[in-house]
Amino acid sequence: DAKTTQPNSMESNEEEPVHLPCNHSTISGTDYIHWYRQLPSQGPEYVIHGLTSNVNNRMASLAIAEDRKSSTLILHRATLRDAAVYYCILRQGGSNYKLTFGKGTLLTVNP
Amino acid sequence: DTGVSQNPRHKITKRGQNVTFRCDPISEHNRLYWYRQTLGQGPEFLTYFQNEAQLEKSRLLSDRFSAERPKGSFSTLEIQRTEQGDSAMYLCASSLQYQPQHFGDGTRLSIL
Repeated sequence: DAKTTQPNSMESNEEEPVHLPCNHSTISGTDYIHWYRQLPSQGPEYVIHGLTSNVNNRMASLAIAEDRKSSTLILHRATLRDAAVYYCILRQGGSNYKLTFGKGTLLTVNP
Repeated sequence: DTGVSQNPRHKITKRGQNVTFRCDPISEHNRLYWYRQTLGQGPEFLTYFQNEAQLEKSRLLSDRFSAERPKGSFSTLEIQRTEQGDSAMYLCASSLQYQPQHFGDGTRLSIL
């Protein structure tokens, strides 16, 4: 599986936007970019995914670089509940199993 | 949608004992996955079922580990002759084909 690189940690203030970066320079044409997050003492939670175009849902936005070698997860207004570890994962198209998690980015949200 | 349910939430056992965990997936999901997570690390894939068929097992799944999914509904993960290194959070997830995975909150295993 192609690898991703994320900062170990980031900090944000409540009600401000947060941009979580992910580098995936070895991404292949059929790899989807998935984001999951894990709150303390809980299992991972799906956030968003995309292939080439930017994506929006009720939780977040995903901005994908034109060359697809990087992407950014955008939380438009961080809340204390958004404090979690955020994982950026590449998943092969047509492959419907085996998410390969890295260490992710620990997001701290300050009140 | 009642979510993925895992039982027990915590299990403490002595080294050498056998343990079994249960996962109840979201009812219409035909795919079920097991992962293991140690402190400070992301989850690691262990195995995957499509309906009742176990289609892939990670090299992490030694011969002391066995997983089943009878009738394609709930699944069990058994660890025989537990070792200290088995201490971890065991996570179950389920999904429909090509859809995102939904995770339970895991079973935390502690080996004394």
